[in-house]
Amino acid sequence: QVQLVESGGGVVQPGTSLRLSCAASGFTLSSNGMHWVRQAPGKGLEWVAVISYDGSDIYYGDSVRGRFTISRDNSKNTLYLQMNSLRAEDTAVYYCAKDAMDVWGKGTTVTVSS
Amino acid sequence: EIVLTQSPVTLSLSPGERATLSCRASQSVSRYLAWYQQKPGQAPRLLIYDASNRATGIPARFSGSGSGTDFTLTISSLEPEDFAVYYCQQRSNWLITFGQGTRLEIK
Repeated sequence: QVQLVESGGGVVQPGTSLRLSCAASGFTLSSNGMHWVRQAPGKGLEWVAVISYDGSDIYYGDSVRGRFTISRDNSKNTLYLQMNSLRAEDTAVYYCAKDAMDVWGKGTTVTVSS
Repeated sequence: EIVLTQSPVTLSLSPGERATLSCRASQSVSRYLAWYQQKPGQAPRLLIYDASNRATGIPARFSGSGSGTDFTLTISSLEPEDFAVYYCQQRSNWLITFGQGTRLEIK
């Protein structure tokens, strides 16, 4: 069964860092590009970042570029999102999704608050 | 950045009725347009990709059309489980964007 499970969310203060993980099962991560998408409370979906199957192409949304880093460890079948200099507006549920966005995790919640 | 504008913001219909949701892009996205359904507390679910292709397991009552800048999601006869929020998304380049969503509510 193809599955994605996010972890690493929590409550953090502004200016600090957090790393999210997304564990893949039922398929080979190394064959697929992967995305992070977030959703602020009561708001719509916002695409955050994408990484190609081999990590050679990486792109970010305007609101996170320069602060967030997407990466992958194909040997662990795991995707990551390193989030630095966190702001209140980064508060959201963070989802990872497979390349075609036909498979999503259930999300992990990040709250940035003092 | 390609901006997607969905209309209407809210659509109030009854079960059995036909729903028509629109998505307009600020510039051409060819046919690289997808539709998602999201229910409260759940992750989005892919319905349609490449403008008109139903994703695996999606009922035939869902259909998509359009190309370039104007796209439509049609639900031919609403079932109770179809009341949710719907998002369009473009992926004509690496920089993906979503529309703001259309809330489909029971009248």
